This record gives sequence, structure tokens and C-alpha cells, in this order.
Amino acid sequence: EDQVTQSPEALRLQEGESSSLNCSYTVSGLRGLFWYRQDPGKGPEFLFTLYSAGEEKEKERLKATLTKKESFLHITAPKPEDSATYLCAVLRNDGNQFYFGTGTSLTVIP
Amino acid sequence: NAGVTQTPKFRVLKTGQSMTLLCAQDMNHEYMYWYRQDPGMGLRLIHYSVGEGTTAKGEVPDGYNVSRLKKQNFLLGLESAAPSQTSVYFCASSRPAGLATRETQYFGPGTRLLVL
Repeated sequence: EDQVTQSPEALRLQEGESSSLNCSYTVSGLRGLFWYRQDPGKGPEFLFTLYSAGEEKEKERLKATLTKKESFLHITAPKPEDSATYLCAVLRNDGNQFYFGTGTSLTVIP
Repeated sequence: NAGVTQTPKFRVLKTGQSMTLLCAQDMNHEYMYWYRQDPGMGLRLIHYSVGEGTTAKGEVPDGYNVSRLKKQNFLLGLESAAPSQTSVYFCASSRPAGLATRETQYFGPGTRLLVL
């Protein structure tokens, strides 16, 4: 059964304190892994897509990496405006359905 | 471009009532999706469509129906609402098949539904 597990469920960081969020997955034939940011009361906002192990993508203070079993979202020197829930999702080679994790709620304290 | 829009933003229903949620996108996307989001459960796919006139079941389709009569619109119907359908509903769309970024989904702002 395809599964996507995110950890930790919640993370509190001081401003400037770097950390990583984890997304582990079990899926047969990964087409792509996706990271989204979701602010309270809003829809998810696309951040990155990763297609193959070893691939990395960066955007401002965020960097996403991918291995054969997991992905990390590294946050460097976070700011309070980075506070949000971060979601990951996987798409199989043979399907059109995305499977989402339950997310990591990040709070950055000034 | 408005992107993906959803109507209504919030609705309260009584058990047994029916309603339709409307999703519209102006990006000429082929693929459209309906999800529900519940605390601790993440986003779960209800139904999706890979083109005008097509629909398919997702992970949690029971109690819902959909229609894609026009490419830009995707409707989600609840024929007889139940308290278990209290949730936040998100619509998403993605680009035409065949492009490298086909799978990137763009989400609407959500519809909050409370069934009493």
C-alpha cells in the first residue's frame, strides 16, 4: 500500500535556527515527489517537484532533496514568515492520483 | 488570471440536504481534482478528471458525485449530506499531459462545509 509519512508533526524554531522536515514514502514506481506550503485558511501552494534520487531544488531559504525512500525539506535561517504547514505528496508512474502526507506544522518564533 | 476559484467559501447544511460545490480554472488545465482535508488525515482525493467529459474515483468517493461538462469547470455534488462530510474541500488543477511539469497541481482557496 502506498504511504507517505511526514515528521515531525509539529516543529517550533527560533528565528535563524535551521532544521529539516522529513517525508518518507513507500510507493511502487515513483513518478515525482511534491512539496507544498499551506497557510491557515488557504489552499496549498506549490513549492518543488523532485523526480529522481539525488535531485535538489532550492528557493530562498528552502532546499528540497530526494533519496529513494525519503525527501527532506531543509530550512536555513528561517524567518517568522516561513511559519506554515508543509505538505509532501507522491505521484506513481502508473497513476494520476497523488498521495499526501499529513504535513508538518512549522512555527518560527521571532 | 484568477487561477483556481471555488464557490461557495463556506456553507452549513443539515443532514440529508444536497449541494454542489463549483470549481473553476482559467489556466486551460486538462486535469482537475477534488480533495477533502480533515485534521490528522491530510488531503484525500475524492474524484478526479483527466479531461472534459471524464471522471474517475479517488481514495474516498462514497457519498459524492462529480461532473466535468466544461473543461474549465469541475463540480462536486453531495446528494444527501452526512455529518461525516464536514470538512474543508479543495479543488486543484494541473497542466496538460505530456509536459514535464504536467503534475504540478494548483489549488483553490477551499470550501468549508459544516453538516449538522
